[in-house]
Order: sequence, then C-alpha cells, then structure tokens
Amino acid sequence: AQKITQTQPGMFVQEKEAVTLDCTYDTSDQSYGLFWYKQPSSGEMIFLIYQGSYDEQNATEGRYSLNFQKARKSANLVISASQLGDSAMYFCAMRGETSYDKVIFGPGTSLSVIP
Amino acid sequence: ETGVTQTPRHLVMGMTNKKSLKCEQHLGHNAMYWYKQSAKKPLELMFVYNFKEQTENNSVPSRFSPECPNSSHLFLHLHTLQPEDSALYLCASSQDGDRWAKNIQYFGAGTRLSVL
Repeated sequence: AQKITQTQPGMFVQEKEAVTLDCTYDTSDQSYGLFWYKQPSSGEMIFLIYQGSYDEQNATEGRYSLNFQKARKSANLVISASQLGDSAMYFCAMRGETSYDKVIFGPGTSLSVIP
Repeated sequence: ETGVTQTPRHLVMGMTNKKSLKCEQHLGHNAMYWYKQSAKKPLELMFVYNFKEQTENNSVPSRFSPECPNSSHLFLHLHTLQPEDSALYLCASSQDGDRWAKNIQYFGAGTRLSVL
C-alpha cells in the first residue's frame, strides 16, 4: 500500500527566511510522481511543484524547490525567502503506476510565516 | 483565476434535504474527481471519472451520488446525509494520458458543507 507521511503538523518561519517541509513516502512502485500542494484558508488546493521518480534533477519552480532523495524515499519542499502569503497548509502527494488514477495525500503541514 | 469552479461555496442542509454540488472545469481535461476533506483527516478520494465514465468509487455511501454528463461538468447529489458528512468537498480535474505519473490535478475552491 502507498502512504505519505508528513511529520511536522505545524511550522513557523520568519519572513524572508527559507523553510523545509518534510515528506516521506512508501511505495513498491518503480515509477511514480510526487506533488506538493498549498491550501490557504480559502480552501483551494494550489499545485506547486512536481517530481518524477526517474527525474535526475530536483524540481524547481520559482521560490519552491524539491529536495528529492529517492533512496531515502523523501521529497522535502523548500520554500526560499518566505512571504506572509505563504502561510497555509501544505500537502505532499503521490501517484504510483499500480494505482495510476489515484493520488494519495499526506496529512499536511501548517506553515505560519511571522513578520 | 482558477480553471475549476465549484458552486455553491457554502451549503447548510438538514439530514432530510436533497442538494447538489456542481463542478465545472475550463481546462479541457478528460478526468474529474471528487474529494472529501474532513477536519484532521487526509484528503479522501471519493469518485473518479475518466472520459465521463466512472472508474473509481472509493467505498462511498450511496447517499452520495455522482453524475458526469460531459467532460467539463461533475455533480455530487446529496440526500439523507449525516452530521459526520460535514466537510469540505473538493473537485479536481486532470488531463490523463500516457504520462500518467505527471498528470497534475487542478482543484476548485471547494464547497464547505454543514449537515445539521
């Protein structure tokens, strides 16, 4: 069975600092995709970044980067230069080849950016 | 502006009511999804539609009835709900194809449902 673990229920970061949100996953699939989503208090889930299991380089999208360590099955999200608008819930998710029409989500991490 | 629109944004209903949630995607995608998000629980997949055909029913009670008349619209019909059904219901869409692992799901803002 596939599973996503996010061990940090809540995180605080000073504005303009960088922060790392942890994500570990469990799968027996050889091919899979990893995603990060942001959910502000308004409720919408906003796609941030994607990493494929066979991608050799870590994904980056603006201030977001993904620290992908395949052997350790971890896909941590790094947000550089935090902004007040980054305060939200962050979800790590995965889609694997044996259940390709399902995306499994982790429990989420609540990030608060302090001025 | 989101490419996935959900209405209504908020809904309060009694246990004997019948109501429907609507989702519309403007992204030209071929797959649509319903998720339930309860407090302190991970996002739960409810239904998957691919090319208007239901491909997944994740053991959802029959008081939730999905309908997908075309690739752009998805409904969730609700009847005789229970208080524990109170949650945020999210709709998503994706363009599914050969590169399935990279098929990103785009979400709407959700309908916050309260069952009294």
